[in-house]
Amino acid sequence: SQQGEEDPQALSIQEGENATMNCSYKTSINNLQWYRQNSGRGLVHLILIRSNEREKHSGRLRVTLDTSKKSSSLLITASRAADTASYFCATVRDDKIIFGKGTRLHILP
Amino acid sequence: DTGVSQDPRHKITKRGQNVTFRCDPISEHNRLYWYRQTLGQGPEFLTYFQNEAQLEKSRLLSDRFSAERPKGSFSTLEIQRTEQGDSAMYLCASSSRDWTSGDPETQYFGPGTRLLVL
Repeated sequence: SQQGEEDPQALSIQEGENATMNCSYKTSINNLQWYRQNSGRGLVHLILIRSNEREKHSGRLRVTLDTSKKSSSLLITASRAADTASYFCATVRDDKIIFGKGTRLHILP
Repeated sequence: DTGVSQDPRHKITKRGQNVTFRCDPISEHNRLYWYRQTLGQGPEFLTYFQNEAQLEKSRLLSDRFSAERPKGSFSTLEIQRTEQGDSAMYLCASSSRDWTSGDPETQYFGPGTRLLVL
């Protein structure tokens, strides 16, 4: 079963704009991770945020976590063509890692 | 290259045949995970190992699936009597374990093995 659910399912934006995608989950978690997957390839870890953290930055990425709402958001600033990919959130609880269905992001030139 | 590797990258087989996939994790990682991913979906957890011990198996892992990690290093995933519904990308990931919190840390994924059952 998949706990995390990303929103939107698909997103197209112009290069240079910011992209925001959201993840909602159902049960309490220990940490939440975001991954990127380019077409037909393996997943690449982007960022991990722990349940006691509210915000985290890494380069052009900003992740927030609201445990009261059981939701997280991933913001990619100043998007580039290379950011075109699928983005997945993964919730971690009691050694279980569960991925959502992903957001397909397409950056338009 | 010290990343996670998987072999083969592609496999085409006929229904009813057995297939075996191999995963070589990052050497210092004690945890190894197998996932299955179908088109348009996120990875679905199948099973994971800590060292050589298989700690959990998903209900998705039917009797036809078996995984091993005999020496706590590489792992194999075997599918017996393959069915067309087994067609998917099979992903392997490895990670270390945060000994403070006990949580699995960042997972490093291999490129996957794409299986097509005809």
